[in-house]
Amino acid sequence: AQKVTQAQTEISVVEKEDVTLDCVYETRDTTYYLFWYKQPPSGELVFLIRRNSFDEQNEISGRYSWNFQKSTSSFNFTITASQVVDSAVYFCALSELSLQGAQKLVFGQGTRLTINP
Amino acid sequence: GAVVSQHPSRVICKSGTSVKIECRSLDFQATTMFWYRQFPKQSLMLMATSNEGSKATYEQGVEKDKFLINHASLTLSTLTVTSAHPEDSSFYICSVRPSGVFREQFFGPGTRLTVL
Repeated sequence: AQKVTQAQTEISVVEKEDVTLDCVYETRDTTYYLFWYKQPPSGELVFLIRRNSFDEQNEISGRYSWNFQKSTSSFNFTITASQVVDSAVYFCALSELSLQGAQKLVFGQGTRLTINP
Repeated sequence: GAVVSQHPSRVICKSGTSVKIECRSLDFQATTMFWYRQFPKQSLMLMATSNEGSKATYEQGVEKDKFLINHASLTLSTLTVTSAHPEDSSFYICSVRPSGVFREQFFGPGTRLTVL
């Protein structure tokens, strides 16, 4: 069965520091997708990125960057020059193809990131 | 991203009553919607997959007779928590997935249920 592990339960840094959120996954599928979602205090999940298993290129979007390493089954997320507004719970997720064809998401436990001014 | 609405956003009810939560896909038609539950400071756990025009598929350990799901149209799925008890108090979130292979899911704003 698929599994996603986010070993860091909570991270607290000072504003402008860089911070990396770790994500390790397990799957037997050769084709899969990985996601990162942000959940601010309001509760609504915000989609950040989708990465398929065949594309190991790192991606950068503004202050956000993602490092996908298939060899270590990791999909880490780095925020550069963190800001207070980055404070949220971040979830890493793995898509799983169910018997009905729908792609179920398996979530990690989440990392609560606090950026202090 | 797609717009997904949930109603109500917050509900408080007495133990033993039933509560209906609506999830609407505002941007596109969705043959598949998902219902998640999130307890405080925990991750999202999939409860069931809602299929338009057919029965929902429930995850192991989720009581289908307690959590009734109706996907009556391509834009609306409802979750009814029947005979709610305090342990059902949680944050319920729905998501929709556009057609196409391995597309991301778009999540609703969630419904916070408190059962007294």
